This record gives sequence, structure tokens and C-alpha cells, in this order.
Amino acid sequence: NAGVTQTPKFQVLKTGQSMTLQCAQDMNHEYMSWYRQDPGMGLRLIHYSVGAGITDQGEVPNGYNVSRSTTEDFPLRLLSAAPSQTSVYFCASRSEGQGLDYGYTFGSGTRLTVV
Amino acid sequence: AQKVTQAQTEISVVEKEDVTLDCVYETRDTTYYLFWYKQPPSGELVFLIRRNSFDEQNEISGRYSWNFQKSTSSFNFTITASQVVDSAVYFCALSEDRGSTLGRLYFGRGTQLTVWP
Repeated sequence: NAGVTQTPKFQVLKTGQSMTLQCAQDMNHEYMSWYRQDPGMGLRLIHYSVGAGITDQGEVPNGYNVSRSTTEDFPLRLLSAAPSQTSVYFCASRSEGQGLDYGYTFGSGTRLTVV
Repeated sequence: AQKVTQAQTEISVVEKEDVTLDCVYETRDTTYYLFWYKQPPSGELVFLIRRNSFDEQNEISGRYSWNFQKSTSSFNFTITASQVVDSAVYFCALSEDRGSTLGRLYFGRGTQLTVWP
């Protein structure tokens, strides 16, 4: 089925460990992004990419790295996990059309706990 | 300053009551998009509606309706005859159409709606 696939769905890390959250889409969307959701804060943009080889920072980029080597994949890396990174992470891609074709597709989320 | 404000943090209603969720946005763009998403307890984000800035027509979809007013920068969401299954967190979001923020989706902090039987 077409859409955005995130893995894993759940993860527990120890402080200082590293990991990569995977995100893949099969809709050929150029724009992809990562959000984190914290209680009472809504979703906040971490990093985004407007195409392969191009990434930029969002609102809360500290502690996270991204790369975009292909159109399909946009992994999010935590180099040294901290308890403050305990959150739910959503990956999204956006269609390039206008009007009815304009919209965002979200993955099902990754619930990350850092202990 | 927040681009999207959802002033209601939590709302509780009894089944069959009507409920309106408020959303106020801020933008200097003339072209922008507004969204509503539902997040049930299972956690996924469910797309409800998209509205572009040139279309101020109100929309009704079953028990859901949306009131878009550019004069007050509001995009309110009403659920008529609420049901227990409507219990969720609802997010309003804004996407601008200009270069520096093109494609970014700004979310409000969400409104937790609880519908009691």
C-alpha cells in the first residue's frame, strides 16, 4: 500500500546510545520531514528535506541528524540519546500538487523512550 | 509567536452534545493551507480536512463541519451530536506557500476532546 512507513514502532534506549529511526515513502514525494510530539506541545518540526541531497533544520533540530540519499528514504539519527528526546516521532511526506492534490501523509509514529 | 493557536486544551462533553474546537492562525502569506487532524488513543494522525486560503466556503461532512473566516483568522471545527468514538486529540495546522517556510506544517498544541457516554 502506498504511504509512509516508519520503523520501529517502539524503542527503548539507554542514555548515550545511538539509533536511527527509519522512514520510507513510495509516493515519489520530494518533500519529507520529521516531527516530534510531546504532551501539550503539538508536533514540532525537527528536520526536513526538499529533495535528495538537500536537508535543513526545523524548529527543534538539536541532537538529531538527517540525510537524504534517495527520494524514498529519510532516516533520523540520534547520535547520543538523552532523556529529553523521549517523545513520539512522526515522519511525513508532502505531495507537490496544488489544490486537491496538496497534502501531507504521515507515518504511524515511533514511540521512543530514553532511560 | 505561535502561528496556530488552539486555546482549548481540554474539552469534555456528554454524548449527543455539539462541540466546537477553536483554531486561530497567523500568517502574512496570501496563499496558505489549513488542516485539521484527529489523533485517537491509538496514536496515528488521521487527516480530516484541508482548506486553502482562497476558499472560504464552509464545509460539512456528516457530523463534522468547518467554519473558515479569514477576517478573524479562524478555522473552527464543529462536531454535531458527538459520540464516544470522537474522543481524541484534535490538531489544527497551517502550511504557508512562501519560499522560506514553504512546505512546513505548523501545528497547534491540540485539543483533547473527551465524550462521555
